[in-house]
Amino acid sequence: DTGVSQDPRHKITKRGQNVTFRCDPISEHNRLYWYRQTLGQGPEFLTYFQNEAQLEKSRLLSDRFSAERPKGSFSTLEIQRTEQGDSAMYLCASSPRLAGAYNEQFFGPGTRLTVL
Amino acid sequence: AQRVTQPEKLLSVFKGAPVELKCNYSYSGSPELFWYVQYSRQRLQLLLRHISRESIKGFTADLNKGETSFHLKKPFAQEEDSAMYYCASLTGNQFYFGTGTSLTVIP
Repeated sequence: DTGVSQDPRHKITKRGQNVTFRCDPISEHNRLYWYRQTLGQGPEFLTYFQNEAQLEKSRLLSDRFSAERPKGSFSTLEIQRTEQGDSAMYLCASSPRLAGAYNEQFFGPGTRLTVL
Repeated sequence: AQRVTQPEKLLSVFKGAPVELKCNYSYSGSPELFWYVQYSRQRLQLLLRHISRESIKGFTADLNKGETSFHLKKPFAQEEDSAMYYCASLTGNQFYFGTGTSLTVIP
């Protein structure tokens, strides 16, 4: 499977614990996005990387959230001191480097986080 | 702030009937607009984008700047069109998604 992969697919944790998710984008895709999706809502933008540089971060994003993409390939999203409100599906998407306005995103299957 | 509004959470149509999924955006400039679709137990995937002016799986969407709308249309719905549809806009590097419309095509 050469699509975007995410690990783990499911995570159950207790409130106050830290969790880390991983996203492997499609090879050669230089752009990577993280989203959060709760029930009944569309994906909510969290952050965006171009290669290893984090270029955009949602103003709504708590400082408990941090993301990295150290070598411009895979990315990690860490949530510290999880809260029950963090329970959601976390989606990763990647996009190729293409000129013009062809900004197609390829989504991963998501990581479903449940905070007890 | 950027907003994408999909007023219908649920939409049911009979097979062969026309279908229209509504999307309105709030942005004074010229955003890029997209429709994404998620079939049951599958990933979110791009259906079409306004800049391509293409028809995918019989669906079309026209950008109406006067009404700030980007409605998705298909003249004859098929059962396999049953899915969750999200309208999205891109401004700068941020994508804004609507809350989605769940389309059910009744046989």
